[in-house]
Amino acid sequence: DVKVTQSSRYLVKRTGEKVFLECVQDMDHENMFWYRQDPGLGLRLIYFSYDVKMKEKGDIPEGYSVSREKKERFSLILESASTNQTSMYLCASRNRFDTQYFGPGTRLTVL
Amino acid sequence: GDSVTQMEGPVTLSEEAFLTINCTYTATGYPSLFWYVQYPGEGLQLLLKATKADDKGSNKGFEATYRKETTSFHLEKGSVQVSDSAVYFCALMGGNQFYFGTGTSLTVIP
Repeated sequence: DVKVTQSSRYLVKRTGEKVFLECVQDMDHENMFWYRQDPGLGLRLIYFSYDVKMKEKGDIPEGYSVSREKKERFSLILESASTNQTSMYLCASRNRFDTQYFGPGTRLTVL
Repeated sequence: GDSVTQMEGPVTLSEEAFLTINCTYTATGYPSLFWYVQYPGEGLQLLLKATKADDKGSNKGFEATYRKETTSFHLEKGSVQVSDSAVYFCALMGGNQFYFGTGTSLTVIP
């Protein structure tokens, strides 16, 4: 079975803190994705990566950056967390033209 | 561009009722179609998929048929259970991009 894991299920941070969300997949997938999910807005793509050290902006990249130093790991970074970044963050991975698999999500609260 | 439209929720049903959640799509080419389910506090899990016209995906009593003529992929289940309470997302893979619907919340009451 494909497994996508995220470093935390719940996270509470303060405004201005630097936040790292980690995602690891164990199926040698090429593509990895970060989404945020908010009530009434569905899933919105923040960043994605087609390969190691490659990254592409999604629909809402502002306030976020990413890092992919190894194929299995894709990190989302909030350089200076703000209250409007309180959300559920979902990581996903897949190979090209194949099914997308999701991690369990990280519910981030920024106070 | 490619997109997915699914019926607005929330949907509330009694146990053993019949379920239909509508999903229509717009796409160039021949997309693959998916239904994902999200249980409370969890990530999205693949429920079923279909990769070409007239294919039927099925899993856990849920079914959906890829209808090219009506550009639809409606989710159905003959008899829902309380444990089916979740949010259901229709999705399309066109080219190498995924497009998700906004989700439909289902609550099944005993």
